[in-house]
Amino acid sequence: SQKIEQNSEALNIQEGKTATLTCNYTNYSPAYLQWYRQDPGRGPVFLLLIRENEKEKRKERLKVTFDTTLKQSLFHITASQPADSATYLCALGDSGTYKYIFGTGTRLKVLA
Amino acid sequence: EAQVTQNPRYLITVTGKKLTVTCSQNMNHEYMSWYRQDPGLGLRQIYYSMNVEVTDKGDVPEGYKVSRKEKRNFPLILESPSPNQTSLYFCASSQTGGQPQHFGDGTRLSIL
Repeated sequence: SQKIEQNSEALNIQEGKTATLTCNYTNYSPAYLQWYRQDPGRGPVFLLLIRENEKEKRKERLKVTFDTTLKQSLFHITASQPADSATYLCALGDSGTYKYIFGTGTRLKVLA
Repeated sequence: EAQVTQNPRYLITVTGKKLTVTCSQNMNHEYMSWYRQDPGLGLRQIYYSMNVEVTDKGDVPEGYKVSRKEKRNFPLILESPSPNQTSLYFCASSQTGGQPQHFGDGTRLSIL
């Protein structure tokens, strides 16, 4: 069955460092991958979208890579700040059905 | 302001009593979707709709119904709720399938 895993439940890093979050998947060939941020008690907020024919996307301090051979996406936050503390979700999508599969998320805490 | 509005935000009810959670978006989006979020399981898609009168099952559709009679509204119906449907529910919309999703703030349902 299709499976999506995010590297760890929680990740603590020091302010100013680069946070790297991992999203691995199996038994799936997604057409696109999305990253979302979720704060406690709120709905997810879209951050970045990358398609299967793209290797890398950037937006300000955020960068996402997509390796369809390794079946992996990496999400980087450079110069991290305490305000970046949140849960980050990856989601895979199918271009035929437009169904989504979400990972369980990684809870990032940036320490001042 | 662009938004997805869900109602109610909180509901405690009893087994077997039919309920409807409403979802409305003001962005003229074609794609709408319902998710449930449970600890350790992440976001799971219940139903989605590519456009008016077009709906399809996600990964966990059992026990739920939806309808899409108007572009802006996508209600989630629980005909005979059971305790295993106690969860946090999110509605989302996007311009089309595969595009960034905008999420509502969630509806917390408790079924006793």
